[in-house]
Amino acid sequence: QLVLTQSPSASASLGASVKLTCTLSSGHSNYAIAWHQQQPEKGPRYLMKVNSDGSHSKGDGIPDRFSGSSSGAERYLTISSLQSEDEADYYCQTWGTGIRSVFGTGTKVTVL
Amino acid sequence: EVQLVESGGGLVQPGGSLRLSCAASGFTFSIYWMTWVRQAPGKGLEWVANINEDGGEKYYVDSVRGRFTISRDSARNSLYLEMNSLRAEDTAMYYCARGRFGGLFYFDSWGQGTLVTVSS
Repeated sequence: QLVLTQSPSASASLGASVKLTCTLSSGHSNYAIAWHQQQPEKGPRYLMKVNSDGSHSKGDGIPDRFSGSSSGAERYLTISSLQSEDEADYYCQTWGTGIRSVFGTGTKVTVL
Repeated sequence: EVQLVESGGGLVQPGGSLRLSCAASGFTFSIYWMTWVRQAPGKGLEWVANINEDGGEKYYVDSVRGRFTISRDSARNSLYLEMNSLRAEDTAMYYCARGRFGGLFYFDSWGQGTLVTVSS
């Protein structure tokens, strides 16, 4: 069964960096994923998709301080030069059979 | 600029029905897959349903199959979700999103959501 695992929370100081992890379940380590940001009381926003080889492509207007990478079954989202507006929930997402999508449980990022 | 604006949410009793709409603008609606995603209060995102460009392919999460129907009207640039036999566990913010293919099926634009509350 396709499952995406995320840590519930992460934190870092203003101006620092934070790296979020999304782990694909066994047998799915070659899947690409997408990262979405959801700021408080707002709808989600697409950030980027990350392929198994670590290449990534960002959505329109996404700042350079957001980047993606991969290692094995793990997909990463790194936010550099953390800003107050980066305090949000971050979800990874991929797809399974029949164009059915799966979301991770989300990581809440706190800016200290 | 891509815009997706949901409407039609509200308070409904268990067993009742509701029809959600999503008005799309800023892109050629007829050439994109579209999706509904929901979020229960304090919970994460849950995919609900997809529909292909011409409405001929539809996919649903198991928990809503047979109760919900996704549809679209390209003449009106609109996406719909007909929800019947509603349950308390359907209470959520419902988002429409535009689907894209590129190594995976993902969502590159989202609306702001419409709230559905199922309660007596």
